[in-house]
Amino acid sequence: DQQVKQNSPSLSVQEGRISILNCDYTNSMFDYFLWYKKYPAEGPTFLISISSIKDKNEDGRFTVFLNKSAKHLSLHIVPSQPGDSAVYFCAARMKTSYDKVIFGPGTSLSVIP
Amino acid sequence: GAVVSQHPSRVICKSGTSVKIECRSLDFQATTMFWYRQFPKKSLMLMATSNEGSKATYEQGVEKDKFLINHASLTLSTLTVTSAHPEDSSFYICSAQAPNQPQHFGDGTRLSIL
Repeated sequence: DQQVKQNSPSLSVQEGRISILNCDYTNSMFDYFLWYKKYPAEGPTFLISISSIKDKNEDGRFTVFLNKSAKHLSLHIVPSQPGDSAVYFCAARMKTSYDKVIFGPGTSLSVIP
Repeated sequence: GAVVSQHPSRVICKSGTSVKIECRSLDFQATTMFWYRQFPKKSLMLMATSNEGSKATYEQGVEKDKFLINHASLTLSTLTVTSAHPEDSSFYICSAQAPNQPQHFGDGTRLSIL
């Protein structure tokens, strides 16, 4: 039972254009959402996050949008750069004593020069 | 920025041996550390959560006697894969977290059991 879903396993985008990575979740108890970026043979790197009380958070080229009613969030990268090519994991946190985070399966983004 | 060091990065050993993986937070105190396992082309699967000074909380299906976790200090957690077998071969990743902060990950350990 996958609580965090990323239905696109891969995405290709031309350099300079917008990359949109989507994520859906099923558990309404999630109160905080994160995006991580991962290169091969490395651990994930935290990218950006959003609290459930917000619907948008922006950090430079990265913007995350949250639609609570649809249980959907998306990461927008604009403009996309070749160095953005990586696997992007959507993650959701349930407020428990251990701040457990559930990861989606990831979307592999390729930015074509 | 926060740095988490995971060691070793790669281990190749014979079936039946035990392997210890270390996870250190280098510039912050990690009250909580997490251990994940990643299968090829799959997501990170949380194995266990540990808080400094207390027993780890294991996820369903993870054998606590097989995967021993110790979180002895605010900067160090260890995962020991006991009596490893080929099916334990995987990519193991730790993360460390300070209160109310995102998790920061190590670079992972590629474990290969022959």
